[in-house]
Amino acid sequence: GEDVEQSLFLSVREGDSSVINCTYTDSSSTYLYWYKQEPGAGLQLLTYIFSNMDMKQDQRLTVLLNKKDKHLSLRIADTQTGDSAIYFCAEKMGSNYQLIWGAGTKLIIKP
Amino acid sequence: DAGVTQSPTHLIKTRGQQVTLRCSPKSGHDTVSWYQQALGQGPQFIFQYYEEEERQRGNFPDRFSGHQFPNYSSELNVNALLLGDSALYLCASSRASGGANEQYFGPGTRLTVT
Repeated sequence: GEDVEQSLFLSVREGDSSVINCTYTDSSSTYLYWYKQEPGAGLQLLTYIFSNMDMKQDQRLTVLLNKKDKHLSLRIADTQTGDSAIYFCAEKMGSNYQLIWGAGTKLIIKP
Repeated sequence: DAGVTQSPTHLIKTRGQQVTLRCSPKSGHDTVSWYQQALGQGPQFIFQYYEEEERQRGNFPDRFSGHQFPNYSSELNVNALLLGDSALYLCASSRASGGANEQYFGPGTRLTVT
């Protein structure tokens, strides 16, 4: 079945790295995505990774994919107060058009 | 370059009523998907429109219907509203030719059913 799971909360100190984790169950995932949602706002696409890749880096963001363990992570370097948001992991399976979403991880920044 | 726009921003309706939500896709995009996001949850896929046809549908009843116009904009209609339909409705646009299916979201319409 289709299932994407994330921890509900993550608390980090400003300036530290944040690592948000996601697990998925369907091995036919072709693309995996990270979205950011700020209070009262829509979803902002941060980055995505194709299933045949292990890592993707984009400025402060690093995505790691362990396909064997069906585990995806998003690392945010030098976390700032503006990174406070809910981060969603989503997957696209095969030729399916819909995205399957996790419940989101709320990132809390401590001063 | 305008991003995805949605209207209205907020809406309050009574049980049993009908509602229409509107979405204009990002310039250059030809595909529109609709999602329902309940409080504290991730989005749930309602359906996707491409070439004015519903291309795929999620697990939503027939009370949820949609339309796509020749200019790629789209409407979501919900009939016989229930209290449980209260949610944020998100529209996402993408390009059918884009292999990564990058979906760009609008700000959403907050629907409250009383």
